[in-house]
Amino acid sequence: AQSVTQPDIHITVSEGASLELRCNYSYGATPYLFWYVQSPGQGLQLLLKYFSGDTLVQGIKGFEAEFKRSQSSFNLRKPSVHWSDAAEYFCAVAPPEGDYKLSFGAGTTVTVRA
Amino acid sequence: AAGVIQSPRHLIKEKRETATLKCYPIPRHDTVYWYQQGPGQDPQFLISFYEKMQSDKGSIPDRFSAQQFSDYHSELNMSSLELGDSALYFCASSLRRVDEQYFGPGTRLTVT
Repeated sequence: AQSVTQPDIHITVSEGASLELRCNYSYGATPYLFWYVQSPGQGLQLLLKYFSGDTLVQGIKGFEAEFKRSQSSFNLRKPSVHWSDAAEYFCAVAPPEGDYKLSFGAGTTVTVRA
Repeated sequence: AAGVIQSPRHLIKEKRETATLKCYPIPRHDTVYWYQQGPGQDPQFLISFYEKMQSDKGSIPDRFSAQQFSDYHSELNMSSLELGDSALYFCASSLRRVDEQYFGPGTRLTVT
């Protein structure tokens, strides 16, 4: 069965500093990979996705993620965080065939300090 | 741009009551997914529909049922509600089964 691991439950970062959120997956084949962001009480917004091709993926809000097959990882990065980036971030995977039902990691809460 | 609409946004029910959640996908989207997010939890897939037919099923209790109608909106029916059903219920839609999912704002169900 597929699983998604986000090792960091909570990360605190200073405004303007860089951010990296880790995501590892366990799956028989390379799944489709996603990062979603959820602000308190809000829905999930897609930041970026990886299906195939270039392993460095650019997303919205200045985020990027790198797929590393050898490490089964899909880490999310942002060079300089803004206070508005405080939210919960979910890594998700979907099978590469059939329905794209998503399996989510437990999430990482990001706090941004001034 | 039109987004996924969910109604109601908030719902309070008592134990053993029934609830119906509605989801209106983005126009032209033919696939709907339902997810349940408990307090402090990650979203869990419940069920999906493609072209009005159930296409996949996850950890959905037998007390729950869902369907997708001819206009592609979907309803999640929940009966014999339990305290543990209190959660945020998300609907997501996509164009075809192989496209990215767009999430609605969610319906927060509280069972007392």
